[in-house]
Amino acid sequence: GAGVSQSPRYKVAKRGQDVALRCDPISGHVSLFWYQQALGQGPEFLTYFQNEAQLDKSGLPSDRFFAERPEGSVSTLKIQRTQQEDSAVYLCASSTTGYEQYFGPGTRLTVT
Amino acid sequence: RKEVEQDPGPFNVPEGATVAFNCTYSNSASQSFFWYRQDCRKEPKLLMSVYSSGNEDGRFTAQLNRASQYISLLIRDSKLSDSATYLCVVIGGQAGTALIFGKGTTLSVSS
Repeated sequence: GAGVSQSPRYKVAKRGQDVALRCDPISGHVSLFWYQQALGQGPEFLTYFQNEAQLDKSGLPSDRFFAERPEGSVSTLKIQRTQQEDSAVYLCASSTTGYEQYFGPGTRLTVT
Repeated sequence: RKEVEQDPGPFNVPEGATVAFNCTYSNSASQSFFWYRQDCRKEPKLLMSVYSSGNEDGRFTAQLNRASQYISLLIRDSKLSDSATYLCVVIGGQAGTALIFGKGTTLSVSS
């Protein structure tokens, strides 16, 4: 079946622009996660949704980062006023109720 | 101190070698542990869970030492296809569902 999909796959933004990254989880997966992976580092947790409820946003690095999942399926991660340090791969993952998380291919964001 | 620490390597080994990766974690309350594998410019994928009693999956063996807060992964009879980054992972976060990753250990297997 279809896995987690993310769009766009690549995004170049000028510093100060707003960006929106989309995640389509595996159908029926209740849990959805966003991670940020900088070059040469492991992924870092950003936020977690159970259905439409955002239960953990402790990893969001600043108030410029905002995530939503209004209908409990598709999720959007928005970054306002992008900075160079926001350049990274943004990974979305989904799961049922267990701990195995299935990752999408990521969106590579480059802020110039 | 980072929650999960790994030696980043790289580990360069010939085919057929046995290689071991280690990882330490800081939160003694952590309950679930995993190894993920990440190929270059790809997404992470679950390799195996790590159980207190130790567990094996083919050529791969994972061990957990709760007293030392130490996790290991042993790969026997390395194959070229094992070349990847291996990420040590602990469950954490406020909701107890987030994957907390180490920086990863890079393995390169050569013929």
